[in-house]
Amino acid sequence: EPEVTQTPSHQVTQMGQEVILRCVPISNHLYFYWYRQILGQKVEFLVSFYNNEISEKSEIFDDQFSVERPDGSNFTLKIRSTKLEDSAMYFCASSGGTGDGAFFGQGTRLTVV
Amino acid sequence: QKEVEQDPGPLSVPEGAIVSLNCTYSNSAFQYFMWYRQYSRKGPELLMYTYSSGNKEDGRFTAQVDKSSKYISLFIRDSQPSDSATYLCAMRVSGNTPLVFGKGTRLSVIA
Repeated sequence: EPEVTQTPSHQVTQMGQEVILRCVPISNHLYFYWYRQILGQKVEFLVSFYNNEISEKSEIFDDQFSVERPDGSNFTLKIRSTKLEDSAMYFCASSGGTGDGAFFGQGTRLTVV
Repeated sequence: QKEVEQDPGPLSVPEGAIVSLNCTYSNSAFQYFMWYRQYSRKGPELLMYTYSSGNKEDGRFTAQVDKSSKYISLFIRDSQPSDSATYLCAMRVSGNTPLVFGKGTRLSVIA
């Protein structure tokens, strides 16, 4: 069964450092998303990406964040200068855009120290 | 008022019980409704999705949407210990817009 894969599963970084989280969406999907979940809180939308550009972003997705689809399979989230409050699970998701739900990866646990 | 509200539980039931999980929402523009299951420190796993009002059944799971009341439900029949997880409701306005999640209900099914 096709699945969304994310790497790494866990990353520890120093405050102020840049991190890149990687995702391989389901191959025939057209819409890609990043969500995050702070421990004990709800899953929150960060950004959606379609046709090689951002289609929507939340107020969380400020200038410290960027997304890229560097080739036909990968989708990345970059945090330029990490803060302690960026510590969370980050989930990549993809969908075919027909309303059938989004499929999530297993997440990257980001710990900023 | 929060956009999507979900009782966080925890909810504890004996094996074999019927479980009812619910969410309410405030945005009448939501058209697509999903239920996800999430195990600890894992990604949400899509269980059910429905469009607009009505019922949908898949094995032991039944999803119901009542748009007039802005209320959605997930029923689990013959619950099993392996159903123990956090259940998240989520909804979206159209087929590719971002999902808005509830906080999740933690369910424990006791053998």
